[in-house]
Amino acid sequence: GENVEQHPSTLSVQEGDSAVIKCTYSDSASNYFPWYKQELGKRPQLIIDIRSNVGEKKDQRIAVTLNKTAKHFSLHITETQPEDSAVYFCAATLFDRGSTLGRLYFGRGTQLTVWP
Amino acid sequence: EPEVTQTPSHQVTQMGQEVILRCVPISNHLYFYWYRQILGQKVEFLVSFYNNEISEKSEIFDDQFSVERPDGSNFTLKIRSTKLEDSAMYFCASSYPGVSTDTQYFGPGTRLTVL
Repeated sequence: GENVEQHPSTLSVQEGDSAVIKCTYSDSASNYFPWYKQELGKRPQLIIDIRSNVGEKKDQRIAVTLNKTAKHFSLHITETQPEDSAVYFCAATLFDRGSTLGRLYFGRGTQLTVWP
Repeated sequence: EPEVTQTPSHQVTQMGQEVILRCVPISNHLYFYWYRQILGQKVEFLVSFYNNEISEKSEIFDDQFSVERPDGSNFTLKIRSTKLEDSAMYFCASSYPGVSTDTQYFGPGTRLTVL
């Protein structure tokens, strides 16, 4: 099955700096790559996702890039704010409505701390 | 905005006891999932469910586990005889696959502690 590795496990940045979290996946068939943010004691919430037919996607301060050849994808947060502090999880899956409903394979998570 | 809900938020049980974890998916969603996260480890897939039957299950989802959608709103995970290693946070998720997005929306989780 798929294996997703995520780095770093912890990341500390100063407010206003950028943060980058990287993930690699093993199954070249995977076609959907979501990123979830989980604040302490709360549910994982999707912040951005990307499909394999797209190389980059941006939503305000958050962007995700995908390199299918190298099988890695990254989350970029610019102009970080203290409220960005949370655990971020990457995930990968093959979603094919005809055969699989897309079980998500998660990375281990990155604890991001943004210092004011 | 509609959200997935789960009850209870925390369940403590004795080893060997049965537990039922409950989820109410978002009302127009069609696909349902259970995941778990043992403390300090990855979130792991357990099972997916569609059209009143299991679509896929992981190697974790053995005969001790079962899922059910007893009515039009609830989705339950039953563990027949809990083990110490079943202690984890259990997340329910649901999705309504669209043309280009298949977002899974997660519930807040049930923390299961097996003593």
